[in-house]
Amino acid sequence: QVQLVQSGSELKKPGASVKVSCKASGYTFTSYAMNWVRQAPGQGLEWMGWINTNTGNPTYAQGFTGRFVFSLDTSVSTAYLQISSLKAEDTAVYYCAREGVWGQGTLVTVSS
Amino acid sequence: DIQMTQSPSSLSASVGDRVTITCQASQDISNYLNWYQQKPGKAPKLLIYDASNLETGVPSRFSGSGSGTDFTFTISSLQPEDIATYYCQQYDNLPVFGGGTKVEIK
Repeated sequence: QVQLVQSGSELKKPGASVKVSCKASGYTFTSYAMNWVRQAPGQGLEWMGWINTNTGNPTYAQGFTGRFVFSLDTSVSTAYLQISSLKAEDTAVYYCAREGVWGQGTLVTVSS
Repeated sequence: DIQMTQSPSSLSASVGDRVTITCQASQDISNYLNWYQQKPGKAPKLLIYDASNLETGVPSRFSGSGSGTDFTFTISSLQPEDIATYYCQQYDNLPVFGGGTKVEIK
């Protein structure tokens, strides 16, 4: 069946970096763009941007430029979200999502 | 940027009640609107796409309508398992979510 499986929870210190993975299965990876969505604790959903899985070209929403990088490894049908210079306010659940299918979410906690 | 105004932010209704949530876009988005359901600790689930099309497997008590700037999501008869937060999302331009509506049982 079609699924997106994300990497596990992360606990990081301020200033560190984190890389979240999203492995796709059950469909042709390059047939659908991959979106990334953030949900801070107790808050709503924020669309972070998307990456074209054919070209690797990313598009970032306002507020997600500079420290946020989307990338791919099409050989293993996996998308990545890397966040650098982590801040406490980056604490959130991060979801990958393609049309109609979401990953289970990855909790990133930033705390000293 | 397109803004999505969703209301109410929360509501309380009885089992069997008809529940309506609205979403207003800051500009014409045609019918490029999704509705999602999110239960605590879970990923969002797509219920309605293209404003009024029911995703496969979603109960028929859920429905959506509207086009242009004004959209409505309806649960015709609220069930206990419908307790969740619901979000609209436009995808005419770069996607934007509404603020969410938390639905509780009275």
